[in-house]
Order: sequence, then structure tokens, then C-alpha cells
Amino acid sequence: EAQVTQNPRYLITVTGKKLTVTCSQNMNHEYMSWYRQDPGLGLRQIYYSMNVEVTDKGDVPEGYKVSRKEKRNFPLILESPSPNQTSLYFCASSHIRGGASGRSYEQYFGPGTRLTVT
Amino acid sequence: AQSVTQLGSHVSVSEGALVLLRCNYSSSVPPYLFWYVQYPNQGLQLLLKYTTGATLVKGINGFEAEFKKSETSFHLTKPSAHMSDAAEYFCAVGDDTGFQKLVFGTGTRLLVSP
Repeated sequence: EAQVTQNPRYLITVTGKKLTVTCSQNMNHEYMSWYRQDPGLGLRQIYYSMNVEVTDKGDVPEGYKVSRKEKRNFPLILESPSPNQTSLYFCASSHIRGGASGRSYEQYFGPGTRLTVT
Repeated sequence: AQSVTQLGSHVSVSEGALVLLRCNYSSSVPPYLFWYVQYPNQGLQLLLKYTTGATLVKGINGFEAEFKKSETSFHLTKPSAHMSDAAEYFCAVGDDTGFQKLVFGTGTRLLVSP
């Protein structure tokens, strides 16, 4: 089954304690992204990756790191979490399809990780 | 820069009534437009998308949306609401940069009453 998986689904931690949220996709997608969802703000992109070893900042990258050592995995790292990083996090992966009808793409989302930093 | 505006953070309808969720976008390039649905405690699921071609797009669960370039709109509709449609709906715009970047609206929570 094609899917994006995230772990853990729920995490409560304390300020300053480093954590990693894992993301894995089995669709051989080149592109992967991390978003955070906050009430009234929708989803905002944190980082994205176009391929292995190619990453770039999204709209809200401060306080986060990512790595892309393998095509299927795209972990999100919080070196020193703070309470303002309490949020719902989504990983997504996507592809581009060519063809006569023009390019189209869509993002497939993981189930989300609810992070609370106290 | 691209942006998306969803009018109404909450929309309430009765079961069987028309559902209309509004989305307006701003884009300097031909847009790719998406509607996603998020059920409680779940991730986002693609409802429908507009890339090129026919401006009336049909999606899953009886939803459809019409791309109106002159109005920069991509409103989501469903003729008859069902209780199971209660969820949060997000409109998103993407471009053709090749970087898959999506800009999301702030979401509209659909409430369906019996």
C-alpha cells in the first residue's frame, strides 16, 4: 500500500530536549516536505527536499533541521525544542508526472505527529 | 508570491443542503489548485485538483470545484451534504517551479447538522 508514515504520532517533551520525528514514504517520490499546522494559520511549509542530499528552507524553518540521506526518509530534527514549536506536524511526498496533458502533481500526506513542548 | 484566502473559518449546513466552501487565490503564474480534506485526528486527503484542461473538476465523495480565472476563484461545492462530510477543508495553490511548493489557506471547518 502506497503511504507516508510518521513516527511518533504523539510526543510530549520538555524545552531543550533534542528530538527527531521520522518520515518515510514507499512511493519512490523525489520530493518530500514538512509542514506544521496551527489553528487559524493552516499549513505552513518548514523544509522541503528535491532529492537525496538536496534540501531547502520553506516558510518557517527557524528551529528545525532536516536531512535526506536516503530517498525514502526525511526526518525532522528539533535540536532544542521550545514551547512555540508545539504544533501538529505533517510530512508529505510528491512526484511530477509528465505527459501530453501537461505536468501535474499532488502531495501525499502522512497521518501527522502531534508535538507538545512544555 | 502566491496566496490563498478561504472565506469563513466555519460553515454550517443541514444534512441534504448545498455545501459551498469558498477559495480565492493569488498567483503570478498559471496555478495548480487543490482541495484537501482533513477528518478528525487524520492526515490530509486529496479531494480534487485542477492543473490544466477542463475548468470544472470532479473529485471524490461527490465534491466538485470550478476554476474561474477571471474571478481567481476555486470554490468547492457538493449538492447534498452528508453527516460524514463534517471535516476541515483546505484549499491550496501550487506553481510550476518544479519544487512542489504548496501554499495553503487557513482552512474551513464544515459542520453538518441533522
